[in-house]
Amino acid sequence: AQSVTQPDIHITVSEGASLELRCNYSYGATPYLFWYVQSPGQGLQLLLKYFSGDTLVQGIKGFEAEFKRSQSSFNLRKPSVHWSDAAEYFCAVGDILTGGGNKLTFGTGTQLKVEL
Amino acid sequence: EAGVAQSPRYKIIEKRQSVAFWCNPISGHATLYWYQQILGQGPKLLIQFQNNGVVDDSQLPKDRFSAERLKGVDSTLKIQPAKLEDSAVYLCASSPDRVAETQYFGPGTRLLVL
Repeated sequence: AQSVTQPDIHITVSEGASLELRCNYSYGATPYLFWYVQSPGQGLQLLLKYFSGDTLVQGIKGFEAEFKRSQSSFNLRKPSVHWSDAAEYFCAVGDILTGGGNKLTFGTGTQLKVEL
Repeated sequence: EAGVAQSPRYKIIEKRQSVAFWCNPISGHATLYWYQQILGQGPKLLIQFQNNGVVDDSQLPKDRFSAERLKGVDSTLKIQPAKLEDSAVYLCASSPDRVAETQYFGPGTRLLVL
């Protein structure tokens, strides 16, 4: 069965500093990988996704992620964090279902705090 | 384009009572998902519909949870009777019927069972 591990429950960074959030996955074939962000009281918003092709994926709000098959990782990065980036970040792996759509398995999330 | 709508946003009930949540997906999206997000955890898929048919309900506690998507548009998720451990945020998402397509999430319904 597929699974996702986000080893860091909480991360604190200073505004303007770089950020890397870790994500490791377990999946038997080529995975579809996603990063979502959730602000308090809000639903999840997609930051970026990897489907195939270039292993460095660009997303919204200046985020990027790199798919590394050899390490089963899909880490999220941002070169300079803004205070508004404080939120919870979820990594997910998708499994295509024969009936249509795809089934997402989420990690437990990383809570990002930004110090001014 | 309107997003995924959910109601109510908050609900407080006592254990053994019943509760229902409503979801209206993005227009034209064939696939609809219900997730349960317990505090401190990532969302867990409960059930997935393709139009008005169930694709996956393997993690739905069928002794107390039920869901329907009549006419392939709106959906309702019901819990009867509720238990304390059902306290969670219930998220609805929808997506077009394409491989690896993005799921768009609603704001969720926060349920507290006392």
